[in-house]
Amino acid sequence: DAKTTQPPSMDCAEGRAANLPCNHSTISGNEYVYWYRQIHSQGPQYIIHGLKNNETNEMASLIITEDRKSSTLILPHATLRDTAVYYCIGFWGGSNYKLTFGKGTLLTVNP
Amino acid sequence: NAGVTQTPKFQVLKTGQSMTLQCAQDMNHEYMSWYRQDPGMGLRLIHYSVGAGITDQGEVPNGYNVSRSTTEDFPLRLLSAAPSQTSVYFCASSYSGEKLFFGSGTQLSVL
Repeated sequence: DAKTTQPPSMDCAEGRAANLPCNHSTISGNEYVYWYRQIHSQGPQYIIHGLKNNETNEMASLIITEDRKSSTLILPHATLRDTAVYYCIGFWGGSNYKLTFGKGTLLTVNP
Repeated sequence: NAGVTQTPKFQVLKTGQSMTLQCAQDMNHEYMSWYRQDPGMGLRLIHYSVGAGITDQGEVPNGYNVSRSTTEDFPLRLLSAAPSQTSVYFCASSYSGEKLFFGSGTQLSVL
């Protein structure tokens, strides 16, 4: 699975959009980009995933660059409850089932 | 909606003791896995299973055993607890290995 690189921490003002970057320059053509988040001491929660096209659901939007070497998770109107560690993961279930979590980005939403 | 249920939530062991962490899911998921998370670290995969009767090792399997006799249950056994196994343990399940549903975790301390 692709190695991903994320900034260790970011801040965002409440009500503003939070844009979390992820570099995955070694991602292969059949690997999806997955995003999870972990609110303090809870189990991680799936947010969104995508392959090539931009994706949106009720939680967030995922923008993947055309060359697929990087992506951005967008929380359109961040709230205090969005404070969490966000993990970006490259994964292809056909290779194995070893979904690997790095250290992620700690997003702190400030009032 | 029970989802993924882990028991116990907290456990204190003495070095050398054995115990089993329980994990059950009611979503008929084929894939189940165990992760451990140490302070300030990401999640590391211990063992995983792609179906009843099938298990495989993850990144940090030493000191742990698993079995998968039913689709619903995936217990994690510590054979002889060591202080290095002090951690928070998360169980996860999914339909096909990537969109994981996590339990609420078991906080284990080994003295």
